Amino acid sequence: QVQLVESGGGVVQPGRSLRLSCAASGFTFSSYAMHWVRQAPGEGLEWITLISYDASKKFYADSVKGRFTISRDNSKNTLYLQMNSLRAEDTAVYYCAGEDYGQYYMDVWGKGTTVTVSS
Amino acid sequence: QSALTQPASVSGSPGQSITISCTGTNSDVGAYNYVSWYQQHPGKAPKLMIYDVSNRPSGVSNRFSGSKSGNTASLTISGLQAEDEADYYCGSDTTSGTRVFGGGTKLTVL
Repeated sequence: QVQLVESGGGVVQPGRSLRLSCAASGFTFSSYAMHWVRQAPGEGLEWITLISYDASKKFYADSVKGRFTISRDNSKNTLYLQMNSLRAEDTAVYYCAGEDYGQYYMDVWGKGTTVTVSS
Repeated sequence: QSALTQPASVSGSPGQSITISCTGTNSDVGAYNYVSWYQQHPGKAPKLMIYDVSNRPSGVSNRFSGSKSGNTASLTISGLQAEDEADYYCGSDTTSGTRVFGGGTKLTVL
């Protein structure tokens, strides 16, 4: 079945780095644009970054620009999020989500992985 | 990149209808017909309920409908059921290629 599974979350000190992964199955990953969306405790959804199906285009929210990098490996059906210079305000559940080619909505979601930035 | 504006909470009794608004700008909601709506139950991942302003994905009840006028989109849920109690988020494409969500609305079924 269609599935996205995030991994790589954990507890990290401020200023350190972490890399999240998102493994896709059950659909044509290489045809999907992919997003990372996060949700701080008790807060709403925050879109943070998007990569096109072929990785030719990348977009970032101002809150993470210059610190986070999105990438993908279509041969491995995997999406990544490299997070550097982490701050306490980056503490959140991080979801990966998929958007079919030519569409503008996220119809495939993972269950999320939790990142806690704390000393 | 300001979040779209949604009411913090709405409520209704079973069988009633409610509407959740989502207000943006000419750079997002008003720019294209690419507004989507997501339902999120506590501790769960979001689920797509409406896309492209008014379209329902397969499997979503026809009690859910969407519309848009200018810079404001709306989600209407008719025939409220207990299982509809959840948080609802609107989302939109933007003219800069990014995406933006609303702040979320907590729906309580009385």
